[in-house]
Amino acid sequence: GDSVTQMEGPVTLSEEAFLTINCTYTATGYPSLFWYVQYPGEGLQLLLKATKADDKGSNKGFEATYRKETTSFHLEKGSVQVSDSAVYFCALSTSSNTGKLIFGQGTTLQVKP
Amino acid sequence: NAGVTQTPKFQVLKTGQSMTLQCAQDMNHEYMSWYRQDPGMGLRLIHYSVGAGITDQGEVPNGYNVSRSTTEDFPLRLLSAAPSQTSVYFCATRTSGGRTDTQYFGPGTRLTVL
Repeated sequence: GDSVTQMEGPVTLSEEAFLTINCTYTATGYPSLFWYVQYPGEGLQLLLKATKADDKGSNKGFEATYRKETTSFHLEKGSVQVSDSAVYFCALSTSSNTGKLIFGQGTTLQVKP
Repeated sequence: NAGVTQTPKFQVLKTGQSMTLQCAQDMNHEYMSWYRQDPGMGLRLIHYSVGAGITDQGEVPNGYNVSRSTTEDFPLRLLSAAPSQTSVYFCATRTSGGRTDTQYFGPGTRLTVL
């Protein structure tokens, strides 16, 4: 079945460091790929998405490119801030599953000043 | 617009008690769903609805009931709470069931079953 695998956390970085959170997927058909972010005590909110191969999603300095050949959607940011500390979820949706979101297990990011 | 609202924010139950988690949305979205979030397991789909009067099971439906009588509301019922249902519950909506649609989440309900 469809699945998403994320790198295990927690990830601890110093402010202004480069961030990569790995995400790979298994899916039938042609999935859309998403990154959601959850700040402490809040619900999830969409960070970025890509709906077809080679698309790049971007928002708030974060980027991820839909790589069909490697079935990956890695999240990157060139310079993290303390305010980026949160849990990040990679997810996919395919037309074969009625648009349901399949989530990875989440990666906790902690940025220290 | 309030978006997606959930009540209560926190709840403590004893084993065997019943309760209903409320979810309401004012975005006129057809598709609504319930997830539970447990440490190290991401979010898992409990039940979903593609429109008023239509519901279906997700990945972990046992112990939960839902109904959808209006577009705006999608309550989740626990008939006889068990400690395994201790979790954070999120309601979510999207415009339709399309694979490209963004899903919008409520703030969550933290449930503890003793």
